[in-house]
Amino acid sequence: GQQLNQSPQSMFIQEGEDVSMNCTSSSIFNTWLWYKQDPGEGPVLLIALYKAGELTSNGRLTAQFGITRKDSFLNISASIPSDVGIYFCAGQLFKAAGNKLTFGGGTRVLVKP
Amino acid sequence: NAGVTQTPKFQVLKTGQSMTLQCAQDMNHEYMSWYRQDPGMGLRLIHYSVGAGITDQGEVPNGYNVSRSTTEDFPLRLLSAAPSQTSVYFCASSSRQGGTQYFGPGTRLLVL
Repeated sequence: GQQLNQSPQSMFIQEGEDVSMNCTSSSIFNTWLWYKQDPGEGPVLLIALYKAGELTSNGRLTAQFGITRKDSFLNISASIPSDVGIYFCAGQLFKAAGNKLTFGGGTRVLVKP
Repeated sequence: NAGVTQTPKFQVLKTGQSMTLQCAQDMNHEYMSWYRQDPGMGLRLIHYSVGAGITDQGEVPNGYNVSRSTTEDFPLRLLSAAPSQTSVYFCASSSRQGGTQYFGPGTRLLVL
């Protein structure tokens, strides 16, 4: 099946830093989504991207849909402690049966000790 | 409006036992899905449903059964649990018109 490669697998943040993560695919998606998962919870949608080249912001989060439709990145500016969690990218095909998603492996964001 | 609810939150099974993971949504969504989450692998689709009475297989369906008798409920059955099914299971729902999936809080399953 389709694979989404998400990097980095984990990162440490210091309050106030900007952080970035990205996701690449071997095939095209029509929609890219970014989710965040807090410990013990299900993933929550952060940003949805529907058009190649689209750049969308949600507060301190900015995500872009790559021109080739095979990649996306997420940037968090001025990170704060509550940004800790696991971030997942997900791709969706146009009119996917059941709206099914293909997920990346996740980027675990931790606070620098 | 509770969204997507899942029970139980945590379960321990012995190899060979059967159980049903419950999922319910109160948003009148047509589509419902089951995913499993394993470390480093993201979420993988097990089964999904596009409406009552209609189900289909996802990426990793083996060892799991589903049925959808009502719009609200989408239970996942493990007929004979195996240690490889130790995982966190998430149920999700979405509307036919909009692709956004809403996830439940998950069920953590340990098979010994």
